[in-house]
Amino acid sequence: QVQLQQSGPGLVKPSQTLSLTCAISGDSVSSNSVAWNWIRQSPSRGLEWLGRTFYRSQWYHDYAVSMKGRITINPDTSKNQFSLQLNSVTPEDTAWYYCARDRGSYYPFDYWGQGTLVTVSS
Amino acid sequence: DIQVTQSPSSLSASVGDRVTITCRASQGISNKLAWYQQKPGKVPKLLVYAASTLQSGVPSRFSGSGSGTDFTLTISSLQPEDVATYSCQKYDAAPWTFGQGTKVEI
Repeated sequence: QVQLQQSGPGLVKPSQTLSLTCAISGDSVSSNSVAWNWIRQSPSRGLEWLGRTFYRSQWYHDYAVSMKGRITINPDTSKNQFSLQLNSVTPEDTAWYYCARDRGSYYPFDYWGQGTLVTVSS
Repeated sequence: DIQVTQSPSSLSASVGDRVTITCRASQGISNKLAWYQQKPGKVPKLLVYAASTLQSGVPSRFSGSGSGTDFTLTISSLQPEDVATYSCQKYDAAPWTFGQGTKVEI
């Protein structure tokens, strides 16, 4: 059974960097058949896919255009986890953040982390 | 980018009623559409993928249909435990996008 356990601060100051980690059990971040995603949810924007990382003989990353320039998703093979960094946050980045797995490009998100409410406020 | 538009945004029905939620994609996405159920305070749960395939463990009163641009999620007999927000998601190609959700109440 795949489990995703999120960790990271729930409060970030404006202009600073939001950092979250998703620890994987029951699967491998280096699996050749899945991808590891970050998704957020807010009342104003609904569910919004942010980006993903996946391994297919080398590491790949896809990011939502709206996030480009501010987002980095990195795997950590030594700890079997992956992370999200979102720079220069504003109050508009306040949301529930989820990590999630998909079984490849033509599959939806089948396992989700428990979610982290991140508030951007001074 | 392909957009997905979901309707209605909310609905209220009685126990035992048949409930239908629709999702329309701005361009054809074959059958690459999923439906999620999110109960209050909980994580989204995958209900249906490939437009009509039920995820393991999902009650048979849920069904999905459609292809191309028009899709439907049906609850054949609404139960109290089905109170939730239902969202569609297209996954034919990045960026993966979600509908705005339908809140189902009893």
